[in-house]
Formats: sequence, structure tokens, C-alpha cells
Amino acid sequence: DIQMTQSPSSLSASVGDRVTITCRASQYISAYLNWYQQKPGKAPELLISAASSFQRGVPSRFTASGSGTEFTLTINDLQPEDFATYYCQQSYVTPRGTFGPGTKVDV
Amino acid sequence: QVQLVQSGAEVKQPGASVRVSCKASGYAFTTFGISWVRQAPGQGLEWMGWINVYYGNADYAQKFQGRITMTSNTSTSTAYLEMRSLRFDDTAVYYCARGSMVRGGKVANWGQGTLVTVSS
Repeated sequence: DIQMTQSPSSLSASVGDRVTITCRASQYISAYLNWYQQKPGKAPELLISAASSFQRGVPSRFTASGSGTEFTLTINDLQPEDFATYYCQQSYVTPRGTFGPGTKVDV
Repeated sequence: QVQLVQSGAEVKQPGASVRVSCKASGYAFTTFGISWVRQAPGQGLEWMGWINVYYGNADYAQKFQGRITMTSNTSTSTAYLEMRSLRFDDTAVYYCARGSMVRGGKVANWGQGTLVTVSS
């Protein structure tokens, strides 16, 4: 089965920092990669689909790119509301829906 | 607005079964699939599968095949997840979400989650 990995697994940052999260797939997944944000005690929220297509309302400080097997999510000018755990998910290779292990962004 | 409202928390003994419901509103129920994701305490998200509510067919992650059944009732706009032979490590929050995991799929709206605790 396809494996999704994320690095780092966690990172500490401060308000105003720039952080980058990497997601890698063990097989080619074209650009069929979604990113979700989850805050403690809450359901996840879809941020980005198809590697770089942003959901309505996602702040412009978020950028995303990648295709094939390597993808990145960057948060510029980190804000207090951005401290959360971020998950990638592939929707190309069966079984579709596989999540990465998550990256926790905290202070 | 799109809403998915899940049933309340459950406590089950090992070996029992549980059924979680997910009532959708704010959109045409049969135009989107319903996916199920779980999250064990302190752990990441785990994809379980999804159901095409228009046709009623479901696609399950291999790990859960034979132990879960996803169904839907189009007259009440409600999806269901049944899990059998519960084990301690099935303790988790179970989420339903609107979206089909076809190629390029995504899940854009989530229920509030249902905590299922397996305890003797």
C-alpha cells in the first residue's frame, strides 16, 4: 500500500515565523494531495486540495506546491490561529484517502 | 449551510458492535459521498472508507474490511457506520465527512465527531 510521510513530525515556532511542512508519498500521486488543519478538540478542516487549490477563506500566508511524490505547505508570517496539526492526504492511488502522520506546529 | 450532525458518545465492551449515525443537511444528500475517518486518543487521522450514497456502494480501507459496514438512508439524509467485534484499540473519535474518495477526491465538511470507548 502507499505510504505517506510528513516531516517534521513537530516543530516549534513563533508568531511571525515562516514554517514549511513536507509531505512525501511512497508512490507517484500526480497532484492529488490534500492538506487539512486540525486544532485540539476540533474536527479537521480542509485547507487545500489538488496540491495547490485553496479552499475559500484560507489566508494568503499559506502557500502550497508539489507534484509527483513530494509536496510542501508553507505558512508565512505565522499567526496564533495557525498553531495546529497539519495532515496531508492522497487521493490518487488505491486505497485512496491515506493520511500522513501529521505535523504539529506549536509555540 | 452544510451540516453533518453525528450521534452521541458510546461506551461498548470488547466484542460488541457499535453504530454511529451522521445526519446531513444543507445540501442534496445524494450528490456527495460520505467518508469516515477515525482518530485514536493523541493519534493521527485514519481513513476508514466511504460510501456512494446515491448507489449505496461502499469502499473500505483494507484494515477494516469484514468488520465495518457503511450504509445510508436517502429518505432521512443519514449515513451510518457499523463496526463489529470491537477491540480496546478501536477507542477513538469517529468522524463522518462529506466527500467521495474517488481520484482527486477530498472531504470538505466534517461532523463533530463521535467518541467510541471500548472498555470492559
